[in-house]
Amino acid sequence: GQQLNQSPQSMFIQEGEDVSMNCTSSSIFNTWLWYKQDPGEGPVLLIALYKAGELTSNGRLTAQFGITRKDSFLNISASIPSDVGIYFCAGQISGSARQLTFGSGTQLTVLP
Amino acid sequence: DSGVTQTPKHLITATGQRVTLRCSPRSGDLSVYWYQQSLDQGLQFLIQYYNGEERAKGNILERFSAQQFPDLHSELNLSSLELGDSALYFCASSVEQGSNEQFFGPGTRLTVL
Repeated sequence: GQQLNQSPQSMFIQEGEDVSMNCTSSSIFNTWLWYKQDPGEGPVLLIALYKAGELTSNGRLTAQFGITRKDSFLNISASIPSDVGIYFCAGQISGSARQLTFGSGTQLTVLP
Repeated sequence: DSGVTQTPKHLITATGQRVTLRCSPRSGDLSVYWYQQSLDQGLQFLIQYYNGEERAKGNILERFSAQQFPDLHSELNLSSLELGDSALYFCASSVEQGSNEQFFGPGTRLTVL
């Protein structure tokens, strides 16, 4: 099955710093999604990407769909304390089934 | 609030028992997905229903089953529970047509003692 490698596994950064995380896949995906999960809560959709090369922003978040369709990255600029959480990438292949394959997550800690 | 609701929020039961988890999708969404999140396996897709019919199966055990009812709510049934079934179970829903975006509920935390 599809494998998603997400890195880094965890990050400790100072408030105000920029953050970058990425996912690579052994398979081609038609859609990349980025989610954030707070403790005890469900994943919340941050950004959705549908085309190779697409660059999409949502406030301080920017994500890109890699040209090869096997990778994606998420950048967070000027981090703030509420950015703390686990960030997951998820990929989706075409076809009638639309289940997501998730990366293992990046645990982000923002230090004051 | 994603618009997806799940009940109960917490469930504690014993090995060998059977439980039912319930999910109501966002208004207008026809597809429901079930995922399991455990510490060692991450988020794993279990099963998908679309408008009452099973659409896809993932890593779902034979002891687990699901269904989607005419009002589009879904139930995940877990039987002969084992300690290793302890996990967070999430339901997600999507429109299915056009957008592939899935919206997740708050989850049910299952603890098997």
